[in-house]
Amino acid sequence: DIQMTQSPSTLSASVGDRVTITCRASQYINVWLAWYEQKPGKAPNLLIYKASTLQTGVPSRFSGSGSGTEFTLTISSLQPDDSATYYCHQYKTEPWTFGQGTKVDIK
Amino acid sequence: EVQLLESGGGLVQPGGSLRLSCVVSGLTFSTYDMSWIRQAPGKGLEWVSTSASNGRIFYADSVRGRFTISRDDFKNTLFLEMNDLRAEDTALYYCVTKQGFGFALDYWGLGMLVTVSS
Repeated sequence: DIQMTQSPSTLSASVGDRVTITCRASQYINVWLAWYEQKPGKAPNLLIYKASTLQTGVPSRFSGSGSGTEFTLTISSLQPDDSATYYCHQYKTEPWTFGQGTKVDIK
Repeated sequence: EVQLLESGGGLVQPGGSLRLSCVVSGLTFSTYDMSWIRQAPGKGLEWVSTSASNGRIFYADSVRGRFTISRDDFKNTLFLEMNDLRAEDTALYYCVTKQGFGFALDYWGLGMLVTVSS
């Protein structure tokens, strides 16, 4: 199975800060990586797919980059509504696997 | 507007069975890959099973042989038959769509809680 490792596990930042979350795959996954945002009590919401393609309706302050085994999710200017847990997800090969999540708090 | 409505969850004893259903509207169901993703209380996301639009079916090792995924493309409904349930199957089960090759998990249901306990 492909293991997905996210870092950091938690982060606290101020409104307006640039925030970066990293996801590392244990094997080559090309660009078959997605990022999701999950708020408490809600279903996950797709932000980015194919490593860097912004899902329709997602604010442009979110961006994704990377290929192969190293990927990043960047929030260019953190907003209060961005307080959530973020997950990466590889869908190159079954079993699909997710990172353990990164909880983002607003200072 | 795309909507996914799950039903069939609840409390079941270890070794018992449940059948989850997910009715989908607002998209051409037969052209979408459909999956179940679960989330144990306070934990992360875990892929369970996928029924692809081309007929292929996939299972996580943790449920293979106990769970069966199926779909009715005429009724726009996805199913998950769960047998021999264990305490570790306790989770919120999400019904999720995937548009096809290259796309990710784009539409999620609200989730259906399955609790396995004596």
